Formats: sequence, C-alpha cells, structure tokens
Amino acid sequence: DVVMTQSPLSLPVTLGQPASISCRSSQSLVHSDGNTYLNWFLQRPGQSPRRLIYKVSNRDSGVPDRFSGSGSGTDFTLKISRVEAEDVGVYYCMQGTHWPRTFGQGTKVEIK
Amino acid sequence: QVQLVQSGAEVKKPGASVKVSCKASGYTFTDYSIQWVRQAPGQGLEWMGGINPNTGGTNSAQKFQGRVTMTRDTSISTAYLELTGLTSDDTAVYYCARTGLFDNWGQGSLVTVSS
Repeated sequence: DVVMTQSPLSLPVTLGQPASISCRSSQSLVHSDGNTYLNWFLQRPGQSPRRLIYKVSNRDSGVPDRFSGSGSGTDFTLKISRVEAEDVGVYYCMQGTHWPRTFGQGTKVEIK
Repeated sequence: QVQLVQSGAEVKKPGASVKVSCKASGYTFTDYSIQWVRQAPGQGLEWMGGINPNTGGTNSAQKFQGRVTMTRDTSISTAYLELTGLTSDDTAVYYCARTGLFDNWGQGSLVTVSS
C-alpha cells in the first residue's frame, strides 16, 4: 500500500499568518493517464470531511483562494496564505492513484 | 445540489452484522461511484471500498475482503455497505462519498460494537 506521511501532525497558528502542511507518498502518484490524484480534505470538529483541493492544485467550488495546493510526484504541500478561525480542524491528504486508496494521518490545525 | 444522506446510528453485539445505507440526490446516481470510508474514535480516515452503481462492480481494501459487501438499489438511488463479523475494532463512523475523487460526503453513520 502507498503510505502517505503528513507533517507536522499538529500545527498551532496565529490568525492572519500563513500555514503549510506537507504530504509525502511512498510511491509516485502520477497515474498512467497522466493525472496526479492527490486530494486535500478538511474535517472540522464534529463534521464530515470536506474536499478542498483535488488533483494536486484544483480548488473546489466555494473554497477560499487563501488555500492552495502544489507539488508533484511524491511531494505535496497545502498552504493557507492567511489563517482564519474557520480553518481550524484536521487536514488530510489522500491519494487516488493506487489501490487501495490511502490517507495521511492528519494534521490538526489550531489557533494559538 | 448533491446530497448523500446516510442511515442512523447502530449498536451491535460482537459477531453481528451491520448494514449502512447512503441515499443520493441531486445528480444521476449511476454516473458516479460511491466510496466507503470509516473513522474510528479519535483516529484518521480509512478507505474500505467502492461500488460502481451502474454496473454493481465493487472493489475493497484487502483488510475487509470476506467481511464487506457493497450493493446498490438504483431504483431509489441508494448504496449499501454491509460489514459482518463485527468486533469492537469496527466501532467507527462510516462515511459514504461520491466518486473516486471523494467530492461530496455523507454525514456519517456511527456504528458501535459492544457486548
């Protein structure tokens, strides 16, 4: 199975400051169709996960543009340009290239 | 708008089975796969498997093979996850999500396994 490793696992941030989460995969996530199926999700406390980013860098509808995804191959990053209170929760990366689908351990973002 | 509405919480005894439903609306049910993900208390997300509602074809994580059955009823746009041989380790919230890109999620169904 492809292992997804996130860092850090805990991220205290100051409102208005940037934040960055790393996600590394144990194998390349480039699919034979040429796409890279790396998604980012946010799970707010007590809620279902919500997809923020798909195929590395595509923001979902309604996701603020302060969120951005980047990376390639095995190394990916989610950045928040200016953290707001509503960004608190656990962020997960997930690969959809290989079977079985696998998630990172999660990064808990909280306000300092 | 796309909605996935799941069945309610269940309490089961060890060794029993549970069947969770996921009713889709706001799109053509047979156009997109349904994936199943679970989350044990305080833990991360774990992919269990998925079903193609058009063909009924399924695939699942090896960990669950032999214990999990995924089905669908296209007449009511509903997908089902059945898990047998429950143990306390199966206590979790079970989510359905649309497509292999997981673009929309259900609200989750809590399954508690306890004697």
